[in-house]
Amino acid sequence: EVQLLESGGGLLQPGGSLKLSCAASGFTFSSYAMSWVRQAPGKGLEWVSTISAGGRSTYYPDSVKGRFTISRDNSNNTLYLQMDSLRADDTAVYYCAQVAVPAAITEYFQHWGQGALVTVSS
Amino acid sequence: DIQLTQSPSTLSASVGDRVTITCRASQTVHTWLAWYQQKPGKAPKTLIHKASILESGVPPRFSGSGSGTEFTLTISSLQPDDCASYYCQQYHGYWTFGQGTKVEIK
Repeated sequence: EVQLLESGGGLLQPGGSLKLSCAASGFTFSSYAMSWVRQAPGKGLEWVSTISAGGRSTYYPDSVKGRFTISRDNSNNTLYLQMDSLRADDTAVYYCAQVAVPAAITEYFQHWGQGALVTVSS
Repeated sequence: DIQLTQSPSTLSASVGDRVTITCRASQTVHTWLAWYQQKPGKAPKTLIHKASILESGVPPRFSGSGSGTEFTLTISSLQPDDCASYYCQQYHGYWTFGQGTKVEIK
């Protein structure tokens, strides 16, 4: 059974930094691209970042480009999201998600973690 | 960037009704479209990918159709467990989600 478990969320002030982790199990982590998706309170889903299976390629929307960095440790089956220069509008639940097809990048998200809440407030 | 517009934003229907949600893309995404169900306080659950392929374990009352720029998600007979928000997502050009449709029981 695929399991994705996020951790590292919390409350911090604008301008601060935070690193989220996502521990993966139940599948060959190193074979799949992985993504982060966020959901602001009462709002819809927003794609945040994707990393290729080997970690060489990364993708971001303009809203987080230059502030967020996705990375992965395939030896420890863990996905990360380093978030810098945080703003109030980054407040959201952050989900990690497995890209559906091995070695592919532009595919749908098949499995999701339970989410980690990040609150940015002064 | 490819934009997705869902309609309606909210839908209220009776148990047993046939329910249809529409997702329109700002440019063609061919059939690279998925649908997700999300219940309050829970993670999204994948229902359909490639516009019409049902994920394993998803009840057959759910179906998807469409190609190009117009897609639909249909629930053939609405059940109380289907109360949730539904999101379309394109994965032809990076990834974009629709704004969501909340389905309620009358």
